[in-house]
Amino acid sequence: GAGVSQSPSNKVTEKGKDVELRCDPISGHTALYWYRQSLGQGLEFLIYFQGNSAPDKSGLPSDRFSAERTGGSVSTLTIQRTQQEDSAVYLCASSLGRTRGNEQFFGPGTRLTVL
Amino acid sequence: DAKTTQPNSMESNEEEPVHLPCNHSTISGTDYIHWYRQLPSQGPEYVIHGLTSNVNNRMASLAIAEDRKSSTLILHRATLRDAAVYYCILRDVNGNKLVFGAGTILRVKS
Repeated sequence: GAGVSQSPSNKVTEKGKDVELRCDPISGHTALYWYRQSLGQGLEFLIYFQGNSAPDKSGLPSDRFSAERTGGSVSTLTIQRTQQEDSAVYLCASSLGRTRGNEQFFGPGTRLTVL
Repeated sequence: DAKTTQPNSMESNEEEPVHLPCNHSTISGTDYIHWYRQLPSQGPEYVIHGLTSNVNNRMASLAIAEDRKSSTLILHRATLRDAAVYYCILRDVNGNKLVFGAGTILRVKS
């Protein structure tokens, strides 16, 4: 079956512009996660969705970052007024649920470059 | 979140077993031990997880110390395709996010 997909695979934008990153989780997975990976910070958690609700937004670095999930499926991560430090690979993952044993399946990521 | 400690890098020869260690001395009684790996230019990939008993699957084995303060991921016969960063992670007490450390860079020589 299809895995987690993300689009676009690459995004180059100018400082100050807004960007939207999309994640299509595996069908039937109720939990969805966003992470980002940058050279200086490694892999860091951003936000977690269970269904359409986001009970854990603790990793969002500033109020320029927001995310939503609709229909318990597709999720969009929006970064407003992008800054150069936002450059990173943004990874989405999904899992069957939130229990400790459920493995997370990762997408290939979106590489964001802010000029 | 309880933390893990892993060596920065390890090297192995192809076709030989690899033992990747992880220390987690502050693990709580209900923390699961998860291993993920990340191949170059790809997202992380689940490898294995366990709680108290040793675990085996098609990819690897996980040996957990009796006091649970350490664990070892075992790749029985390393291949070039196993070259990756291996992350040992204690699953968050709320059971959602993964907290990644720096991991171990595994290099496999042919």
